[in-house]
Amino acid sequence: QKEVEQNSGPLSVPEGAIASLNCTYSDRGSQSFFWYRQYSGKSPELIMSIYSNGDKEDGRFTAQLNKASQYVSLLIRDSQPSDSATYLCAVRDYGQNFVFGPGTRLSVLP
Amino acid sequence: ETGVTQTPRHLVMGMTNKKSLKCEQHLGHNAMYWYKQSAKKPLELMFVYNFKEQTENNSVPSRFSPECPNSSHLFLHLHTLQPEDSALYLCASSQDKSVWTEAFFGQGTRLTVV
Repeated sequence: QKEVEQNSGPLSVPEGAIASLNCTYSDRGSQSFFWYRQYSGKSPELIMSIYSNGDKEDGRFTAQLNKASQYVSLLIRDSQPSDSATYLCAVRDYGQNFVFGPGTRLSVLP
Repeated sequence: ETGVTQTPRHLVMGMTNKKSLKCEQHLGHNAMYWYKQSAKKPLELMFVYNFKEQTENNSVPSRFSPECPNSSHLFLHLHTLQPEDSALYLCASSQDKSVWTEAFFGQGTRLTVV
């Protein structure tokens, strides 16, 4: 059973701080990794994808991947109240479907 | 707007009703997915279609019946549902089933079974 684990939260950070969201996965063969943001009552929205070890930056978001440790993270710099949402981690292996984690609820306090 | 449109957005149905959910994507993608999202649970994959062929049925009860007439449209036919089937049903699409492709979700249908 392939699993993706995330702390459910809530993770509370003050406005302007860095929010750090973590995800671990069980399938060592996983090749692609995705972060989605889901506001309450809405559908998941793709933030970033990452495929190779290291960091990938897009605006205030940085995804970090460490395949040896089976760990992927998302950093949100200069957090804003509008970043308050649930963040879903998803992984994918060759020929396989997306496996989603349970999500981490982030609360950015003004 | 992700290019994936689901209708209806909200649906209330009795346990003896028959209804259908519709998903349409304008992204030129070839793979389409149905997911179920219940409160406090991770997204559950239900069905996958790749180039109109069903490639995954994740042990979904037969009261859920998918249909994919072409690569742009996906339906989920519902009949004799149970109250525990109440959930957010999400459609997604990706270019294909390649590991490097990203999935984009529709707005979802909030289903309530009474």
